[in-house]
Amino acid sequence: AQSVTQLDSQVPVFEEAPVELRCNYSSSVSVYLFWYVQYPNQGLQLLLKYLSGSTLVESINGFEAEFNKSQTSFHLRKPSVHISDTAEYFCAVSERNQGGKLIFGQGTELSVKP
Amino acid sequence: NAGVMQNPRHLVRRRGQEARLRCSPMKGHSHVYWYRQLPEEGLKFMVYLQKENIIDESGMPKERFSAEFPKEGPSILRIQQVVRGDSAAYFCASSPLGESPLHFGNGTRLTVT
Repeated sequence: AQSVTQLDSQVPVFEEAPVELRCNYSSSVSVYLFWYVQYPNQGLQLLLKYLSGSTLVESINGFEAEFNKSQTSFHLRKPSVHISDTAEYFCAVSERNQGGKLIFGQGTELSVKP
Repeated sequence: NAGVMQNPRHLVRRRGQEARLRCSPMKGHSHVYWYRQLPEEGLKFMVYLQKENIIDESGMPKERFSAEFPKEGPSILRIQQVVRGDSAAYFCASSPLGESPLHFGNGTRLTVT
């Protein structure tokens, strides 16, 4: 069975500081990996995804994540955060033959302080 | 280009009543997924539907919960005889081919009093 572990439930950080949100997964088959962001009282928005190819994937707003197969990790990073990045971030995995059936982590609440 | 539309946004029901949650997928998407987010938890898969078919309902509670996606109209998640433990945010997501990535709606927040 698959599982996703987000090691930090809350990450407080000051504006313009770097941040890393950690995500580890377990699966016996090949997977796709995702990070979703959820702003208060809203649905989830896809931040970035790893399907195949380059292990480093980037979003348009400065986030990046690196797929590390040997460590079964997909940590999310940003070199300099903004107040507007305050949100809940979810790591998710799906089996390659399971389509959109996602297994989510518990979420990490990123709080950016001025 | 409208996204995934869910209504109502908020729903309050007394214990024992029925709750009906609606989801209209993005235009051109014929695959719908329902997820539930309990307080302080991540999202949990409930059911995957295509038009008129339930493909995977492995995450649905065995009793009181049902889902449909008719040929015409939105997908419906129905909860009969609601209990306090059903209070949660219910999210619908859609995709064009039944594959990732999914596009999520803003959710329906169900409160059972």
